[in-house]
Amino acid sequence: DQQVKQNSPSLSVQEGRISILNCDYTNSMFDYFLWYKKYPAEGPTFLISISSIKDKNEDGRFTVFLNKSAKHLSLHIVPSQPGDSAVYFCAGDQGGSEKLVFGKGTKLTVNP
Amino acid sequence: NAGVTQTPKFQVLKTGQSMTLQCAQDMNHEYMSWYRQDPGMGLRLIHYSVGAGITDQGEVPNGYNVSRSTTEDFPLRLLSAAPSQTSVYFCASKDGGWNEKLFFGSGTQLSVL
Repeated sequence: DQQVKQNSPSLSVQEGRISILNCDYTNSMFDYFLWYKKYPAEGPTFLISISSIKDKNEDGRFTVFLNKSAKHLSLHIVPSQPGDSAVYFCAGDQGGSEKLVFGKGTKLTVNP
Repeated sequence: NAGVTQTPKFQVLKTGQSMTLQCAQDMNHEYMSWYRQDPGMGLRLIHYSVGAGITDQGEVPNGYNVSRSTTEDFPLRLLSAAPSQTSVYFCASKDGGWNEKLFFGSGTQLSVL
């Protein structure tokens, strides 16, 4: 049973435009969500997170939106830059479980 | 500050061989974990530890063994390597408590022939 789903394996956008990466989850006990970015041959790095008590969190060009009723979250990158080209992983955390569950990732390509 | 350090970066094994993937962190984090990344499968949790002397299984623990004798180190042992264990392995750590982000190492690419 896949608890965190990223249904788009890849996304291609033009530099300067908005990138929207989507993530759905099935575990209603998740109370914290994180996005990680991964470049080839490197480990994932933390990008942004959101608690289930919020519906939006912003950090510079990155904004994460959470729709609890739809069990859906999205990552918006505005404006997109070529350096944003990477694989983005969505992850859900159930407080106290110590088991962060990741989606399969979405490969974002930002074209100059 | 080195963060999470994994060794080796690359390893080729023959089926049936054993080896240990090393992981060390210098952030005094209580929590450490091992993930594997396979094409189309994302990151899957193998084992984790919430402190020295305490370990537990994740989603895909079979064929792997761990121990946590110190806060800093969390080695992952492959007892008898199989081709299905060909993967990229990531070690990660974080502070104890809820809603803390994981810090990942740079990974070990393992091939089992």
